[in-house]
Amino acid sequence: EDQVTQSPEALRLQEGESSSLNCSYTVSGLRGLFWYRQDPGKGPEFLFTLYSAGEEKEKERLKATLTKKESFLHITAPKPEDSATYLCAVQAPFTGNQFYFGTGTSLTVIP
Amino acid sequence: KAGVTQTPRYLIKTRGQQVTLSCSPISGHRSVSWYQQTPGQGLQFLFEYFSETQRNKGNFPGRFSGRQFSNSRSEMNVSTLELGDSALYLCASSLDGYNQPQHFGDGTRLSIL
Repeated sequence: EDQVTQSPEALRLQEGESSSLNCSYTVSGLRGLFWYRQDPGKGPEFLFTLYSAGEEKEKERLKATLTKKESFLHITAPKPEDSATYLCAVQAPFTGNQFYFGTGTSLTVIP
Repeated sequence: KAGVTQTPRYLIKTRGQQVTLSCSPISGHRSVSWYQQTPGQGLQFLFEYFSETQRNKGNFPGRFSGRQFSNSRSEMNVSTLELGDSALYLCASSLDGYNQPQHFGDGTRLSIL
C-alpha cells in the first residue's frame, strides 16, 4: 500500500504561470512531512518541513501547506530555474520513523 | 559547513561481483540512511544507522548490508550483484533521525553489466 502519492507525475508551465503540486499520504501519527527538490544527477535538496495541519512555510516562489491528509507545494510565477523534480516524504512512528518518499513531480518551466 | 559526501560517484561492475559504497555525513549528524533510487520505483529505503547500530531496515534482500563507524561515516555493501541493482544509491544524514529533515549526498551511480 502506497504511503505517499504525488500528482501530477509531470507538469509543464509557462514562465510566470502559477500552479500547485500535490502530495497525499495515508500514514497515521505523522511526525513530519518534508519537501525536496532534485535536479538531474544530484541528490535531493531539502526545502521544507511541515509538522501539523494548518502549517505553512514559504521560500522565494515556493509555499508549502499541510492538511490532515495532504500537502501542497504552490509555485508562484515560476522561472525556468525552478525546473526540477519535487519530492515529498513523510516520517511516521509505526515503522521506526523511516521516511517514505513519493515518486515525485517533474516540473518543467518554459521560458 | 560541508555537506554529505558520497564516494565514488560512479561505478561499473559485472554480475556476481560485490561493491562497497561510502558516505561521510554532515559533521555532528549521527543518523545515516541509505536509499536506492530507480526511475520506476523512486526512493526506496534500505537501512538506517545510528551510533554504529542498524536502527531500521527496509525490504531488501540480505545481499544489501551496511555498517557505521564511530565517526558516523557509513558504508554500504552489495554482494553478488544483479542487473536489477543498477541504480543511484543515496545517503542521507540527520542529527538523530527524528522529526528532522534528512540531508542528501549526490549519490553513487552503480551500473551493472
